[in-house]
Amino acid sequence: GAVVSQHPSRVICKSGTSVKIECRSLDFQATTMFWYRQFPKKSLMLMATSNEGSKATYEQGVEKDKFLINHASLTLSTLTVTSAHPEDSSFYICSAHRPPNTIYFGEGSWLTVV
Amino acid sequence: AQSVTQLGSHVSVSEGALVLLRCNYSSSVPPYLFWYVQYPNQGLQLLLKYTSAATLVKGINGFEAEFKKSETSFHLTKPSAHMSDAAEYFCAVSGGSGNTGKLIFGQGTTLQVKP
Repeated sequence: GAVVSQHPSRVICKSGTSVKIECRSLDFQATTMFWYRQFPKKSLMLMATSNEGSKATYEQGVEKDKFLINHASLTLSTLTVTSAHPEDSSFYICSAHRPPNTIYFGEGSWLTVV
Repeated sequence: AQSVTQLGSHVSVSEGALVLLRCNYSSSVPPYLFWYVQYPNQGLQLLLKYTSAATLVKGINGFEAEFKKSETSFHLTKPSAHMSDAAEYFCAVSGGSGNTGKLIFGQGTTLQVKP
């Protein structure tokens, strides 16, 4: 079964609203999780590193006020897309690192902003 | 800093033919390297990974890759393509043992398998 679970798998929201995507590690504690974004027929772009108990580290060009990341526990990181616009429509996928060298990806979340 | 270049955005082979997907990397530290496959409208599936042990890495579904430091390459191969191998393939690099979780992905290669 899945080691990292992402929810929801698909979500449709109206422009201007906010939407939250959850990423859970199911059987291990993940002090670090990562959020990626994938445009249709494109590669995965790292958005940010989610650190348990501290602020997320965002990659250059990613708006931290737009994409709020919270890592409130060792098994849960959330990505909130605030004031969503149609251009935020994308596939968002998280991953969790289990030392020493295993990375688990969630199933991904399709966001459509209408 | 790390980066990955996948040569060829689209590769087409006949069923039963050799599959070769090219990946070159750049890394300021000893890298860890990964190959993932993505089927349409699905998430990522790990094919194989190199983590500084054996340079020839065998993965699932008959795939393997060889880490060549002198060529900064990690090409993915499979001796005989199946129709089910048609998918998008991504090579990724991380910052080795010091920063394993953070992956930088290549642009991806679409593999088409013709009957």
